[in-house]
Amino acid sequence: DTQMTQSPSTLSASVGDRVTITCRASQSISGELAWYQQKPGKAPKLLIYRASSLESGVPSRFSGSGSGTEFSLTISSLQPDDFATYYCQQYNSYPYTFGQGTKLEIK
Amino acid sequence: EVQVVESGGGLVQPGGSLRLSCAASGFTFTTYWMNWVRQAPGKGLEWVANINQDASARHFVDSVRGRFTISRDNAKNSVYLQMNSLRAEDTAMYYCARLTNSGLTDHWGQGTLVVVSS
Repeated sequence: DTQMTQSPSTLSASVGDRVTITCRASQSISGELAWYQQKPGKAPKLLIYRASSLESGVPSRFSGSGSGTEFSLTISSLQPDDFATYYCQQYNSYPYTFGQGTKLEIK
Repeated sequence: EVQVVESGGGLVQPGGSLRLSCAASGFTFTTYWMNWVRQAPGKGLEWVANINQDASARHFVDSVRGRFTISRDNAKNSVYLQMNSLRAEDTAMYYCARLTNSGLTDHWGQGTLVVVSS
């Protein structure tokens, strides 16, 4: 199985900050990586697919990068609506696996 | 608008069974794989199972293989998760989600809660 490791687990930041969350795969996933945002009591929402493609309707302050086994999600200027939990997921091989999540908190 | 709506969750005793349903609309159901993903209370996301367009391919996470089955009815735009021999560790919110041909999960339902407890 491909293990996905996110860091940090918790991130405290302020509105306007630039933040980056990283995701490391235990083996190459050929860029088949997605990022999701989840708010309490809600379903996850797709933000980024194929490591760096922005889903339609997602604000451009969100961006993804990386290749091989190292990936990152960057929010260029945090907005109040961005405080949530973020998950990466690989969909290159079964079982599809998620990172453990990064909770983005208001400082 | 793509919509996915789950139903069928509830309280069940250990060893019992439950069947979850997922009704899809707003897209051509027969051209998409469908997924179930779960989330235990306060925990992260775990992919559970998926099924291809004509039900000729199905995949499961090891922890449910042999206990859960996935099926679909293309005439009703619905997908199902039959869960047998349920355990306490199966307690979770179960999300149904659309899957593209590349494996990307792009649209999620709001989930249905399954609680396994005596």
